[in-house]
Amino acid sequence: SQELEQSPQSLIVQEGKNLTINCTSSKTLYGLYWYKQKYGEGLIFLMMLQKGGEEKSHEKITAKLDEKKQQSSLHITASQPSHAGIYLCGADNQGGSEKLVFGKGTKLTVNP
Amino acid sequence: KAGVTQTPRYLIKTRGQQVTLSCSPISGHRSVSWYQQTPGQGLQFLFEYFSETQRNKGNFPGRFSGRQFSNSRSEMNVSTLELGDSALYLCASSMTNWGYGYTFGSGTRLTVV
Repeated sequence: SQELEQSPQSLIVQEGKNLTINCTSSKTLYGLYWYKQKYGEGLIFLMMLQKGGEEKSHEKITAKLDEKKQQSSLHITASQPSHAGIYLCGADNQGGSEKLVFGKGTKLTVNP
Repeated sequence: KAGVTQTPRYLIKTRGQQVTLSCSPISGHRSVSWYQQTPGQGLQFLFEYFSETQRNKGNFPGRFSGRQFSNSRSEMNVSTLELGDSALYLCASSMTNWGYGYTFGSGTRLTVV
């Protein structure tokens, strides 16, 4: 079944800095989701990408799906402490039993 | 509208006991999926129910079971608890049995001692 690898596993940045999180799939992505999770809480949906080359933005967060549809990146501009949390990418699973498979997450810390 | 509600939020159980977790989906959502989240393994799929039928099951032992009621509320049960079952259990609901449109609950933190 499909596997998603996220990098980096953790990230510590100074407030105001830009950062990028990557999600690489073992198979072509037909639906790629980005979620944010505060420690011990549920997942909050950020955005969904479906088309190769697609780019979406929400406030200071931009996500892209590359043309070949095997990698997505999440970019945060001018990070703030409120951006801290765990970012997870999820994908519509191809060839497996579960609907969504997830990467293991990227833990983001933003220091004021 | 109300989100996905999971109860209880926190639970402490002893090895060998059993536990039941509850998930109330968003009104109108007929699909409920359950995930186990641990620091080492990340999010792992447990099972999915749609209109009271289990549609898919992940690679977990038979001690993990679930069901869905006619009002779409779902429960999962873990029998003979082991220390390794300590995790955050998340449920997600959606209108259809596709991946699109998942809304997650806040989870139940289970600690087995």
